[in-house]
Amino acid sequence: NAGVMQNPRHLVRRRGQEARLRCSPVKGHSHVYWYRQLPEEGLKFMVYLQKENIIDESGMPKERFSAEFPKEGPSILRIQQVVRGDSAAYFCASSPAGSVAYNEQFFGPGTRLTVL
Amino acid sequence: AQSVTQPDIHITVSEGASLELRCNYSYGATPYLFWYVQSPGQGLQLLLKYFSGDTLVQGIKGFEAEFKRSQSSFNLRKPSVHWSDAAEYFCAVGGGGGADGLTFGKGTHLIIQP
Repeated sequence: NAGVMQNPRHLVRRRGQEARLRCSPVKGHSHVYWYRQLPEEGLKFMVYLQKENIIDESGMPKERFSAEFPKEGPSILRIQQVVRGDSAAYFCASSPAGSVAYNEQFFGPGTRLTVL
Repeated sequence: AQSVTQPDIHITVSEGASLELRCNYSYGATPYLFWYVQSPGQGLQLLLKYFSGDTLVQGIKGFEAEFKRSQSSFNLRKPSVHWSDAAEYFCAVGGGGGADGLTFGKGTHLIIQP
C-alpha cells in the first residue's frame, strides 16, 4: 500500500537548467498539492491540482514555474531556468475526493533541489 | 488571509517530561487544524487533526491537542516524551468544506535531553 511517491529524492541542477519533479499520489487520490520548504521555514503552498485541471495556483511564482497532473501518470512540477533561490525541498501531498477528507493531505518524502 | 504562528522556534525537554507546543492561527471562518511531524530529511506525518466536534483531539504516538476558539489556539501536548519524539513539529490550518492548500507555521524544533 504505497504512499505518496516523489522522485528524484535529490536533484542537482546548474543555473539556467530545467528541473522536473515528479509526484505519484496515493492510489485512488485525485487531488495533488505542491509545497516548497526553504531552509528554516515552514512549508509554503504552491499549487493545487486535480486530474487535468489546475484548481489553485495562487502560491506559484508567476514565471518559470508550472505544474500539471495529467489523466495518466504522475504530477509534474517544472522549473525552467533555475536560479540559486530555487534551492529548496519540494513536497507533494495528495488527498482523496470527498468533503471532510479533502483536507487530510498525505505527504511524500520530498525532492531536495540544489542549484549550483 | 490565514496565518499560523508557532512562537517557539526551539524547545528542549527532558525525556519523560511533559510537552506543550504552542500554535495560534488566524482564519476568517471555521478552521481545519492539523499538527504534522517531520524527522530530518523526511516528509511530513500527520499527528492529528481537528475538523469539528470535541475540542480535545487524540492523535498518534500519544499526542493530543486542544482547540480553543476564544484564544485562536491549537496547542499540542504529550504527557511524557520519548527520545524518538525529537523532530520538527508543524501546525497548519486549512479552509473548511473544500480542498485548499494548507498554511503552515514555521515549525518548532523539539530537542529531547536524556
